[in-house]
Amino acid sequence: KAGVTQTPRYLIKTRGQQVTLSCSPISGHRSVSWYQQTPGQGLQFLFEYFSETQRNKGNFPGRFSGRQFSNSRSEMNVSTLELGDSALYLCASSIDLNTEAFFGQGTRLTVV
Amino acid sequence: AQSVTQLGSHVSVSEGALVLLRCNYSSSVPPYLFWYVQYPNQGLQLLLKYTTGATLVKGINGFEAEFKKSETSFHLTKPSAHMSDAAEYFCAVSDNGNKLVFGAGTILRVKS
Repeated sequence: KAGVTQTPRYLIKTRGQQVTLSCSPISGHRSVSWYQQTPGQGLQFLFEYFSETQRNKGNFPGRFSGRQFSNSRSEMNVSTLELGDSALYLCASSIDLNTEAFFGQGTRLTVV
Repeated sequence: AQSVTQLGSHVSVSEGALVLLRCNYSSSVPPYLFWYVQYPNQGLQLLLKYTTGATLVKGINGFEAEFKKSETSFHLTKPSAHMSDAAEYFCAVSDNGNKLVFGAGTILRVKS
């Protein structure tokens, strides 16, 4: 069974640009969550989607957005990139609510 | 609001020695508790989880953790450390769907 797939694995962008990251959950999983990991702030929750609806949102500015498609695949978008957005972005999928989350390998975003 | 405190950002043990990684949580409702491990440039792998029922939880790779409500703790242990256990370990709590709140992490070093 394939795991959670995140693309791309590595990305370099310039300040002010925008970026879209993709996450394909494990087959049959309906919940997708996104996390940002940085050395200074650690692992922080961005948002969670369940059956195409955003269920939870973390404390991030509106530049961070996401969506989920009918096949449960999810994308997150960051607009007007800042140097501080450099991070490892992790996606996790779960079968349903209150079930264990399986993480992808992440997308390493570097903003220069 | 939920929170997780991991005591000790770095823990060093000798190969074959006991591993003890400490985690205390704060939650206003009965929590779901998790331990994840992260190897360099990788995503998070679930070691074990506590939801309800037995307070001693056994996980993968010989790890186990005990939920102690009176102490609001969920410490991770392994009787005998192996070199391959060297990694960063994260304790997490959830009480609202699939949103995880993580501790700051503990880097485990195993000396030969």
